[in-house]
Amino acid sequence: DTEVTQTPKHLVMGMTNKKSLKCEQHMGHRAMYWYKQKAKKPPELMFVYSYEKLSINESVPSRFSPECPNSSLLNLHLHALQPEDSALYLCASSQLGNSGNTIYFGEGSWLTVV
Amino acid sequence: QQPVQSPQAVILREGEDAVINCSSSKALYSVHWYRQKHGEAPVFLMILLKGGEQKGHEKISASFNEKKQQSSLYLTASQLSYSGTYFCGTRGKYGNKLVFGAGTILRVKS
Repeated sequence: DTEVTQTPKHLVMGMTNKKSLKCEQHMGHRAMYWYKQKAKKPPELMFVYSYEKLSINESVPSRFSPECPNSSLLNLHLHALQPEDSALYLCASSQLGNSGNTIYFGEGSWLTVV
Repeated sequence: QQPVQSPQAVILREGEDAVINCSSSKALYSVHWYRQKHGEAPVFLMILLKGGEQKGHEKISASFNEKKQQSSLYLTASQLSYSGTYFCGTRGKYGNKLVFGAGTILRVKS
């Protein structure tokens, strides 16, 4: 089972709202990722968790707050977002250890900030 | 550093072949290829590792030239289902950071 599930699939939020994106995997992967993808652009890495600890933060604004409650779950908490934050947010997971491990993506959460 | 992909776009008729290239100015340890259809998530196609090992798709092949720091994806006898945007991603030796190229839009026409 190579599946990463993300909820919700679509989210519309106002600039003063607080919302969360959720991601779950049951492949035993110990690395989990958040990517952001704007239209006609490649996915851009935001955060990496290794063994439930934040290992990479690509200088993401603090209005995005990641959380890894356990080895299967990854959340992205959203607060005071801007319209330019509207994008597809992709969660992914992989084994740790070496460059050749496959990274599996979820179907993404489409976020619109109004 | 973002790898460079070429061409930016290609249009094929069913049955034709295509090659998509991915190059980097930094030392590559692995190259990951994905295809993304409109409105969907990227789907894993293939990984090429330094040293020649390949893992992935049965009907799509790829090469990895370590001297040139370049990988090429070969799509042969293309089908309508091959349409989408192809991304290569590169990783360092132990890194968990997969950085994607800008993508190549492939359109297969009947």
